[in-house]
Amino acid sequence: GESVGLHLPTLSVQEGDNSIINCAYSNSASDYFIWYKQESGKGPQFIIDIRSNMDKRQGQRVTVLLNKTVKHLSLQIAATQPGDSAVYFCAENWSGGADGLTFGKGTHLIIQP
Amino acid sequence: EAGVTQSPTHLIKTRGQQATLRCSPISGHTSVYWYQQALGLGLQFLLWYDEGEERNRGNFPPRFSGRQFPNYSSELNVNALELEDSALYLCASSSDGNDQPQHFGDGTRLSIL
Repeated sequence: GESVGLHLPTLSVQEGDNSIINCAYSNSASDYFIWYKQESGKGPQFIIDIRSNMDKRQGQRVTVLLNKTVKHLSLQIAATQPGDSAVYFCAENWSGGADGLTFGKGTHLIIQP
Repeated sequence: EAGVTQSPTHLIKTRGQQATLRCSPISGHTSVYWYQQALGLGLQFLLWYDEGEERNRGNFPPRFSGRQFPNYSSELNVNALELEDSALYLCASSSDGNDQPQHFGDGTRLSIL
């Protein structure tokens, strides 16, 4: 099975609310994590990354939290907008890039007007 | 700055044929990764090229192969096509496969009839 998974396949939020997308990983040796956004008909778009020596990183309207104790990663999107509707993937790198990224199955974020 | 570009956008083949997919990385990126995104299976790592050499491959049969050219562009070749090869094939590039995010193109949709 995959070492990176997502708790919720679909998440529906109201426009303007905050969204939280969760991800579990199983390999404690993973040292680099990335969140991607994939819109229909497009490739994954880099959102934000975090290394294992950090537990929080902020970008524009997004925050990634890393809890190494329970091997959990989350992506928080503030003031969700219609353009945030997409499938979100977390990915982990546990071998220095030698095996490529390991992706979860994705969470579909739906923004309700 | 131009992103990762892939061609063709769509490719239709029949069983037993061969397919060639192309990728141009972001300027300055030396690492190229290939992933398969089949319906319901998420993104799965196929191949990694760096500085013209194949560095690693995922759990795919030998009929999936490729190469990287001196200008760092890359080809993915799939021989003896099977129906289950129908998928979106994504190329990503990075400046340092071990420590920097991978940036994706929009993929080639390969359909096997």
